[in-house]
Amino acid sequence: SQQGEEDPQALSIQEGENATMNCSYKTSINNLQWYRQNSGRGLVHLILIRSNEREKHSGRLRVTLDTSKKSSSLLITASRAADTASYFCATDAWVNFNKFYFGSGTKLNVKP
Amino acid sequence: DGGITQSPKYLFRKEGQNVTLSCEQNLNHDAMYWYRQDPGQGLRLIYYSQIVNDFQKGDIAEGYSVSREKKESFPLTVTSAQKNPTAFYLCASSQRQGSTGELFFGEGSRLTVL
Repeated sequence: SQQGEEDPQALSIQEGENATMNCSYKTSINNLQWYRQNSGRGLVHLILIRSNEREKHSGRLRVTLDTSKKSSSLLITASRAADTASYFCATDAWVNFNKFYFGSGTKLNVKP
Repeated sequence: DGGITQSPKYLFRKEGQNVTLSCEQNLNHDAMYWYRQDPGQGLRLIYYSQIVNDFQKGDIAEGYSVSREKKESFPLTVTSAQKNPTAFYLCASSQRQGSTGELFFGEGSRLTVL
């Protein structure tokens, strides 16, 4: 399976702190994406990083990609209580860029 | 507003019954997907379709069936052959040509087998 794995499975921090979560995957990819899911809701796209990119920023989000280690990290700076959610990485299949595989997610709890 | 609509949000089924989950999108996207999510788990791909009248099995297609007769619609039928159907089902779509690959998700349908 190409499915990625996030680490840690759960993370609890205080408001204002930074949150870092990691994703590892198994095979070559075209791009890697991060999604957020509030409890009982659908997923919302956060950011996409292509295989030829090493770092990308969007607001308080910073994503890195190391294709040699087949891993990515998502950093949320200055976290807020509203950031409490599960975060998933998703990779596509190199031979089929329209097929996506999701990891098991990191559950982030930001305490006010 | 453009988006993906899933219905029903909650569904209860007796063992042995087939149920169909609806997914409609008005984003003019070519590709549509069905994922299953179990408590505390990631998403597993059931079926996906890249174009009308064509679809492919994902990793856990057994006990499920789909159709793609219209671009905007991709219904999922959970058949009685699915041994453990209680789960949260998510439909998604993405643009195919010139795509960034972003998936747009519906709000999900929660199926409970009694």
